[in-house]
Amino acid sequence: GENVEQHPSTLSVQEGDSAVIKCTYSDSASNYFPWYKQELGKRPQLIIDIRSNVGEKKDQRIAVTLNKTAKHFSLHITETQPEDSAVYFCAASKAGTASKLTFGTGTRLQVTL
Amino acid sequence: GAVVSQHPSRVICKSGTSVKIECRSLDFQATTMFWYRQFPKQSLMLMATSNEGSKATYEQGVEKDKFLINHASLTLSTLTVTSAHPEDSSFYICSARTGVTYEQYFGPGTRLTVT
Repeated sequence: GENVEQHPSTLSVQEGDSAVIKCTYSDSASNYFPWYKQELGKRPQLIIDIRSNVGEKKDQRIAVTLNKTAKHFSLHITETQPEDSAVYFCAASKAGTASKLTFGTGTRLQVTL
Repeated sequence: GAVVSQHPSRVICKSGTSVKIECRSLDFQATTMFWYRQFPKQSLMLMATSNEGSKATYEQGVEKDKFLINHASLTLSTLTVTSAHPEDSSFYICSARTGVTYEQYFGPGTRLTVT
C-alpha cells in the first residue's frame, strides 16, 4: 500500500519567515495530494490540494509543489503568522480505492513572535 | 456547504461496555465515509471505508468484530466500539466524500475515554 513520509516533525520559525514542509510518497499511481491543518482537539482542515496533472498551486500565502518523478511534494507558507501555528499533515490518494487518504506523520509548526 | 457532524463529541465509558459514534453529512449525500483513529500527537490512521448499503472495508490490523461500522443511508454512518478497553481510548474522526471530487470533509471528532 501507499506510504507517506513527512519531514520535519517539528518546525519553529519566526513570524514573517517562510516555512517549508516536505513529503514523499511511494505509490506512483497516487494522483491527489491534500494538505491539512489541525489545531489541538479539532478536525483537520483542508488548506490546499494538488492533483498530479499540476506542478504547482498557490493560494495567497500558501503554495504546494509536486514532483511526480521524484514522488515528493512540499507545502510552502510565506509571511508566517502566529495563527499558522498548528500541526500540518500531508496526504496522498489515488482513484480506484474510494480515494482513501494515507496521511503523513505530521509537522508541528510553531511561529514565534 | 459540505458539513459533517459527529455525535457525541466526548464520551466516557467503562471497560467492557459498547459505545456508538454517529457521523452525519448535513448538506450533501455521502457515497463514501471513512473512519479514522488518532492517538495523541500522532497522525490519522484509517480504520475502515464504508459505502452506503454495503459492508465496510477494514484496514489491515483493524478488528471488524470490535469496530462495527454501519452505513445505512447516504447521510449517516455509525461506528460502534464493542467491549471497549482502555487501549481503545482515542480521538475518532469520520470523513465523507460526495463522490464528485476527491476531497474528504471531516467531522469534528469524538474523544473516547475508556475507564
